[in-house]
Amino acid sequence: GENVEQHPSTLSVQEGDSAVIKCTYSDSASNYFPWYKQELGKRPQLIIDIRSNVGEKKDQRIAVTLNKTAKHFSLHITETQPEDSAVYFCAAIYGNNRLAFGKGNQVVVIP
Amino acid sequence: KAGVTQTPRYLIKTRGQQVTLSCSPISGHRSVSWYQQTPGQGLQFLFEYFSETQRNKGNFPGRFSGRQFSNSRSEMNVSTLELGDSALYLCASSRDGSYNSPLHFGNGTRLTVT
Repeated sequence: GENVEQHPSTLSVQEGDSAVIKCTYSDSASNYFPWYKQELGKRPQLIIDIRSNVGEKKDQRIAVTLNKTAKHFSLHITETQPEDSAVYFCAAIYGNNRLAFGKGNQVVVIP
Repeated sequence: KAGVTQTPRYLIKTRGQQVTLSCSPISGHRSVSWYQQTPGQGLQFLFEYFSETQRNKGNFPGRFSGRQFSNSRSEMNVSTLELGDSALYLCASSRDGSYNSPLHFGNGTRLTVT
């Protein structure tokens, strides 16, 4: 079935340190993996995505890596800042063109 | 360019009632998806509409239904409300639902069932 799991559920980091969130998925046919950031009381917003023909993608302080063999992908945030505090959702597209989301990770950046 | 607009922002209903939520997608977007967000459960897919047709449906009971109009605006209806239906309902639009273009979310409608 459509199953996307995120670890850890909550992550606290000191400002300036790196944060890593890992997601696993179950459908080997999945080929699109976006990450959304949702600040408190706001809408989820796409921050980065990766397709299955690429192993890594970077955008300034954010990067995503994909391991298709192990069926997991990770979000890396370097030099964390207070504004990075939010809930991060990973997602994977399944064969029926449905986007399945993980339950979210609360990231807290401690100043 | 205006974003995805959802109305109303907040709703309070009692058990047994029905409710209709509205979503206006970004201009030019023809695909509209609906999600239910509850604490600890993330975003649960409800359904997706494209060109007035339901193209995909999640694992929700038949009390949850939707439709899409010719201008791509979409409505979601929940009948015979239950306490467990209390949630943030998010609508998202994209050009064609193929994920070749990003999914854009609205601010959501927060439904409280008492």
